[in-house]
This record gives sequence, structure tokens and C-alpha cells, in this order.
Amino acid sequence: GDSVTQMEGPVTLSEEAFLTINCTYTATGYPSLFWYVQYPGEGLQLLLKATKADDKGSNKGFEATYRKETTSFHLEKGSVQVSDSAVYFCALRDAGGTSYGKLTFGQGTILTVHP
Amino acid sequence: DTGVSQNPRHKITKRGQNVTFRCDPISEHNRLYWYRQTLGQGPEFLTYFQNEAQLEKSRLLSDRFSAERPKGSFSTLEIQRTEQGDSAMYLCASSLKSGRANGYTFGSGTRLTVV
Repeated sequence: GDSVTQMEGPVTLSEEAFLTINCTYTATGYPSLFWYVQYPGEGLQLLLKATKADDKGSNKGFEATYRKETTSFHLEKGSVQVSDSAVYFCALRDAGGTSYGKLTFGQGTILTVHP
Repeated sequence: DTGVSQNPRHKITKRGQNVTFRCDPISEHNRLYWYRQTLGQGPEFLTYFQNEAQLEKSRLLSDRFSAERPKGSFSTLEIQRTEQGDSAMYLCASSLKSGRANGYTFGSGTRLTVV
């Protein structure tokens, strides 16, 4: 079945540091890939998405590129801020078969940014 | 219509009691999903509705769980004879049935604590 694996956390950075959170996936067919962010006490918010190989999703300074050859969708940001502290989830949506578009999530990576 | 609404935000119940949660999706969204998120984990799929039809249920959804979407609008998730293992955040999400690129809109969730 489909699965998503994220790098072990938590990740602690100083403000303005470079961020990478690794994500790899296993899926049948050609999934769409997503990064969601969850702030304390809140639901999940879509951060960015990509629907086909080599697509780059970007939003709020975050980027991720859909790499079919390595089945990866790593999240990057050049300069993090304290306000980026949250939990980040990588997810895939398999368009094939009877998946009905449900999302499969990774386990999440806690990011803490210190001033 | 500003988003997906879930009520209540928090629920504390004694073991063995029944609880019911409500989700109001974005009005034009015909797909509705329920997920469960336990501490330190990513959300796990529970069930899916397309309009009023419940088309898929996860094996995580035991016989004590039932979900409805009677008129294809709001949905309820009921847990009977709650157990401590049911303590989790229950997330609702909705989306349009069109295209692979649609992510979901998530609600803020209902946090259930069974004591």
C-alpha cells in the first residue's frame, strides 16, 4: 500500500538558518504530493503541492520538488523564522484505483526555531 | 463560507460513554473525509463520503464507530462505549471531486479525551 516516510525529528534551528525536511514515498500509480503544516492547537493547513514529476510547489518561502526517480518530495526553506515553528506533514494522494483521493500522511516533523 | 467547521473543539468523556462529533464542510465540496490523529503521529484515514454515500471505511473504524452524512452536507461521527484508546484528535476535511491537484480543507479538529 501507499506510505510516506519523513525524516526523524524534532528539528531545532536558529532564526535565518536553512531548513530541509526529507520526505520519501511509496505509491502505485502517479500520486499528487503535499506538504501540510499544523500550528499548536490547530488543524492542518495546506502549505504547498505538486501533481507530477519535476513540478515544484512553493509558498511562503518554502519549496519542494516532485522527484519521481528518487520518490522524494523534500521540503526546503532558505531562511526560517520563529513563526515557522510547527509540525510539518508530507502526504500523498493516489489518484488510481479506489483510493477515492484519500491522503496518506507521514508521521510529521516538529520544527522549532529559536530567535 | 470560510472553511470547515468542527464541533465541539474539545470533549472529555468517561470510559463507556457515547460521544458524537459534527463536521460542517465547505458548502460546495461534495467529498468529506474523517481522519484520526494520535499524539506524535500523522492523521490516519477513517472514512469517506461522496455526497451522502459512505464509500470507504478504514479497518481502523471498529463497530463502535459510525459516521453519517444524511443530506450530503454536514457529517457526524459517533463513538459508542468509548475506550481510553479512542483519545485522539478527530479531523474532518472536505474537497471537490475534480482533478488530482485538489488538496483538502481541514477543520480544526475535535480533541477527545477519554478518562
